[in-house]
Amino acid sequence: QKEVEQNSGPLSVPEGAIASLNCTYSDRGSQSFFWYRQYSGKSPELIMFIYSNGDKEDGRFTAQLNKASQYVSLLIRDSQPSDSATYLCAVNPSNSGNTPLVFGKGTRLSVIA
Amino acid sequence: EPEVTQTPSHQVTQMGQEVILRCVPISNHLYFYWYRQILGQKVEFLVSFYNNEISEKSEIFDDQFSVERPDGSNFTLKIRSTKLEDSAMYFCASSEGYRFTEAFFGQGTRLTVV
Repeated sequence: QKEVEQNSGPLSVPEGAIASLNCTYSDRGSQSFFWYRQYSGKSPELIMFIYSNGDKEDGRFTAQLNKASQYVSLLIRDSQPSDSATYLCAVNPSNSGNTPLVFGKGTRLSVIA
Repeated sequence: EPEVTQTPSHQVTQMGQEVILRCVPISNHLYFYWYRQILGQKVEFLVSFYNNEISEKSEIFDDQFSVERPDGSNFTLKIRSTKLEDSAMYFCASSEGYRFTEAFFGQGTRLTVV
């Protein structure tokens, strides 16, 4: 059973701070990793993906991957109240685009103005 | 920007009735998926579809469910004899399908079974 685990939160950070969201996965053969943002009642919106160990930066977002530890994280710099949402970690267990994503339950982030 | 489009946005149906949820994937995408999310729960995979046939399905996707690509652009999910526990957000997603590709989600259909 492929599992993706996230702390459900809520994670509360003050405006302007760095928010750190964490995710672990059980399938050591997993190849690619995705962070989605989901506002309440809305669909998941892709923020970024990563498939190589290390860091990947895109604007205020940095994804970090450590395959040896089966750990992926998302850092949000200069957090804004509009970043308040649930952040979903998703894992593609193989190289194939045909393989469905396995989602974590999500971490609810609250950015306090 | 291309997007995945789902209709209707909200469907209310009586228990035991059949519903069809519709999706128009992004035009150059080859892989199509249905996921569902029960309120407060995680996004769960239902089925993936490629080359006009089901390529993978979860244990949730039993005989009550079927998918179809009737006209080369639409992608539908049919739920026969709906049950109360089928109430959820149903998301269609599509991807180009090559290595490490990301899936793009439609805005979802909220299904309420009463």
